[in-house]
Amino acid sequence: ETGVTQTPRHLVMGMTNKKSLKCEQHLGHNAMYWYKQSAKKPLELMFVYSLEERVENNSVPSRFSPECPNSSHLFLHLHTLQPEDSALYLCASSQGAGGYEQYFGPGTRLTVT
Amino acid sequence: TQLLEQSPQFLSIQEGENLTVYCNSSSVFSSLQWYRQEPGEGPVLLVTVVTGGEVKKLKRLTFQFGDARKDSSLHITAAQPGDTGLYLCAGVGTGNQFYFGTGTSLTVIP
Repeated sequence: ETGVTQTPRHLVMGMTNKKSLKCEQHLGHNAMYWYKQSAKKPLELMFVYSLEERVENNSVPSRFSPECPNSSHLFLHLHTLQPEDSALYLCASSQGAGGYEQYFGPGTRLTVT
Repeated sequence: TQLLEQSPQFLSIQEGENLTVYCNSSSVFSSLQWYRQEPGEGPVLLVTVVTGGEVKKLKRLTFQFGDARKDSSLHITAAQPGDTGLYLCAGVGTGNQFYFGTGTSLTVIP
């Protein structure tokens, strides 16, 4: 596979569930990102990892927990979410974390019931 | 926060028409990128502009970076249904942080 892949593409979960989103990049990049995209809002940056170290956390609630085991994989662990967390969650990667062009995955459409 | 406002927010035009989308800010950016996002997919990078006043062309798409590097425009000539999507600008600002615009949703009617 090439580019940035995300699984699952769609996820429906209850507020008491625990689930994880997975992202994998095949571009040899060193930085990875999680974004949240809600209707009528700009893309919201959630987390940034550079060389597997978290470099930015934009005041995201603790019910979202990222994990970056290596430079090719990124996870977003979800637990006790709220209905307002329903959104498209996008993963992206770039050569580095310093303003380089970003390459996005197709996203996971999350619905919290 | 370095806010990027895009206009118009929504645009619906007939095939063959021309259109311009704007991306404006009061802040200076070291570079600016344009992305297109189709329904159910992630944004795809179209172009990066770096120099104030720079103009780049990608087939029927023309991108311009403002002289002061605070704004940008995207002009599409003879729009086609395949141009339908959400157009996002993104500026690289202070500390090399990315700031995404509010988006323009374009629909081209056959």
